[in-house]
Amino acid sequence: GQSLEQPSEVTAVEGAIVQINCTYQTSGFYGLSWYQQHDGGAPTFLSYNALDGLEETGRFSSFLSRSDSYGYLLLQELQMKDSASYFCAVSPYSSASKIIFGSGTRLSIRP
Amino acid sequence: DVKVTQSSRYLVKRTGEKVFLECVQDMDHENMFWYRQDPGLGLRLIYFSYDVKMKEKGDIPEGYSVSREKKERFSLILESASTNQTSMYLCASSFGGETTEAFFGQGTRLTVV
Repeated sequence: GQSLEQPSEVTAVEGAIVQINCTYQTSGFYGLSWYQQHDGGAPTFLSYNALDGLEETGRFSSFLSRSDSYGYLLLQELQMKDSASYFCAVSPYSSASKIIFGSGTRLSIRP
Repeated sequence: DVKVTQSSRYLVKRTGEKVFLECVQDMDHENMFWYRQDPGLGLRLIYFSYDVKMKEKGDIPEGYSVSREKKERFSLILESASTNQTSMYLCASSFGGETTEAFFGQGTRLTVV
């Protein structure tokens, strides 16, 4: 089976840097994605790591290490609008069309 | 822009009723999904479909069925609604293959009383 574990809550200060981790137990997958969901809104796609290493998109970066069964989302120069829930997701080799999500991390930003 | 539209934003149904949740996407995506979202449990996959009339069970299919008669439309059916199916239901779609970039609808908040 597959499972993706994330911390349930993270709190950070405006302007700081925060890392949200995703550890997984899965037999194999195509890549690791991250989604953002504001309260009352729909999840929206942020990033995708097909290969190990760091992918940077503006203030957000995402990292994957398949050997360590681990990935993370890094948010820099935090803004109040970054307060949201963040989910990691994978498509397993066993079923390429399937997308499974982690339990989600609620990020709270303090002024 | 990709648009995924769910037929209702809020629904209230009685225990035992048959409930239909409808979802339409306008980007010719092969894959469509139904998730339910409950506090602390993330997004749990109920069913997904990779082609017309093709479907696979997700992690929590019990008490649900789905229908995909046309490529753009994916329906979730609660055969006999129960109070433990009170939840937020999210529909999503994606291109075929191993991409994990999915586009979500705004969700249907279903309350079963």
